[in-house]
Parts: sequence; structure tokens; C-alpha cells
Amino acid sequence: DTGVSQDPRHKITKRGQNVTFRCDPISEHNRLYWYRQTLGQGPEFLTYFQNEAQLEKSRLLSDRFSAERPKGSFSTLEIQRTEQGDSAMYLCASSLSILVYEQYFGPGTRLTVT
Amino acid sequence: KQEVTQIPAALSVPEGENLVLNCSFTDSAIYNLQWFRQDPGKGLTSLLLIQSSQREQTSGRLNASLDKSSGRSTLYIAASQPGDSATYLCAVSLSNFGNEKLTFGTGTRLTIIP
Repeated sequence: DTGVSQDPRHKITKRGQNVTFRCDPISEHNRLYWYRQTLGQGPEFLTYFQNEAQLEKSRLLSDRFSAERPKGSFSTLEIQRTEQGDSAMYLCASSLSILVYEQYFGPGTRLTVT
Repeated sequence: KQEVTQIPAALSVPEGENLVLNCSFTDSAIYNLQWFRQDPGKGLTSLLLIQSSQREQTSGRLNASLDKSSGRSTLYIAASQPGDSATYLCAVSLSNFGNEKLTFGTGTRLTIIP
């Protein structure tokens, strides 16, 4: 069990550029979640997958955001035409969909939009 | 809409003291409640998970309690150590199947003074 991993850990980009983040969940976990955390706040839910199906998207996820989970394994979160307001920590979590649904988080990707 | 509040926002205590962190939530129809620890600039580490049917969970020096009817949870830390310094977040998930996204509080920043 290697835990949830995220890549990159830090990303600095200029406003208007596209960025893509990757999340690798714990291997047997079929649920995968994305959250966003701004400074001094708790994480906010963005979207989640069960296997390859995206089951829910938050209203925070504007049209510039897209997430995928091909083959129900790793997931990618893409932000197009980044804005300074997108600067945040993007956290990925995974869980096993039996009874308890305990979520395990990765180290996060810190995005800075200049 | 579920809202989660954590009081106090920051707490400083001398090493060795016992302490209690508070979490309250507005919708009592929760599925489970998780307590997390977050070190600066890092991801979240799950500390304890309490299912809605449980009253408390213990792990080492940590004890979490849940009073679902009053919408409250507490995290008790015994014999605090400088290594306990971190931000502690509580999060709840709703009881509808397939809706296990977490709603977080803004956290309590704990500093243990050596």
C-alpha cells in the first residue's frame, strides 16, 4: 500500500495557460475525489468518480475544469485558461466503496497562477 | 446545506496538557465524521473516523466523540507533545448512498509550546 500520490507537487503557471494534475489512488480503491483548498480554509469538494464514472460535480467546477479517470485507475484534473483565483492546493483522495468509505488523501498539488 | 464549524480557530497550550478541539455541524443526517491532521503545506492525514452509529473512537492519545443529535464532535488529545502542532480538520459526509463527499470545517490551528 503506497498511499495516494499526486503529481506535480508544485506548479507555477502564467494566467491563461492550461495545467493538468495527476492523481494515483490506492490501488484497490474504486472511488476517487478531488478537492480544492485555499489558504486558511478547509478543502472544498470538486468532483468524484466511482471507477471510471464521474458521479458528481460541484458548482465550483466551472467549464474551464475537466476531470477524467480512464479505466478507473489514475485521474487527471485539467484547468484551462487559468486565472489567479485558481491558485490553491488541489487535493485528491480515494476510498473503497464498502460500508465505511474512509477517505485517504494525497499530498496535494500546490498551484500558483501569476 | 451542511455547514461545519470548528472552534477555536487557533489554540496554544503548554506541552503535556490535555486538550479538546470542537466541531459542530448543522445537518445531523451524517454518514460518518472524520478528523484529519494537516501540517503546513501538506496533505491531510486521517486520524479517526466515527460512523454515525458510533459514539466514540480511540487511537493512542486521541479520542473522538460524536453526538449526532446535537450536531457535535470533539477530539481529545491527551498529554500533548510539540509534534502534535498542526491544523486539525473535521469533516462530515451525508447519509445518502453515493454522496460520500466530505464537507470540512475551517480547522483549528494547534500549537504545543515546549
